[in-house]
Amino acid sequence: DAKTTQPNSMESNEEEPVHLPCNHSTISGTDYIHWYRQLPSQGPEYVIHGLTSNVNNRMASLAIAEDRKSSTLILHRATLRDAAVYYCILRDNQAGTALIFGKGTTLSVSS
Amino acid sequence: DTGVSQDPRHKITKRGQNVTFRCDPISEHNRLYWYRQTLGQGPEFLTYFQNEAQLEKSRLLSDRFSAERPKGSFSTLEIQRTEQGDSAMYLCASSKHSRMNTEAFFGQGTRLTVV
Repeated sequence: DAKTTQPNSMESNEEEPVHLPCNHSTISGTDYIHWYRQLPSQGPEYVIHGLTSNVNNRMASLAIAEDRKSSTLILHRATLRDAAVYYCILRDNQAGTALIFGKGTTLSVSS
Repeated sequence: DTGVSQDPRHKITKRGQNVTFRCDPISEHNRLYWYRQTLGQGPEFLTYFQNEAQLEKSRLLSDRFSAERPKGSFSTLEIQRTEQGDSAMYLCASSKHSRMNTEAFFGQGTRLTVV
């Protein structure tokens, strides 16, 4: 799986939007972009994934650059419960390999 | 269905002892994954199964580690002759594999402390 680069940490205020960036300049045509997050003392949980088009779900939005070399996870209104480590992962869904995690971005949310 | 279940949640063992962890995946999930996570690091992939077949093993999975998934349902991860470096959180995940829908569901993990 290709490598992703994320900032080590980011800070946000409650009820403000948060944009979490991820660079993946060596992404291949069959790689999907997955985001997972891990709350303290919990296992990771799925957030969103996409291939080329922007994606929205109840948790977040995923904006994918036209060249697919970067993407941004958008939390529209951060809450204290969104404080977690966010992982951006590339995965070839067709090959079906396991998710390979990096160190992720630690998001802190202040009230 | 209450999600992926792992047992025990915590395990303290003496160096040199053997330990076994159990993972019960979500029903009908054909894929099951094992990961290890140490403090401040992301989860590290160890191995995964599709049904009862072990399809991939990481180089991290030394010969002291063995995983099984008999009958394609629950899985066990055994560590023989534990070392202090084995202290970590061991996470299990399951998914219903298809090209489009690959969401993996994780358990809360088993925290192993080797003293």
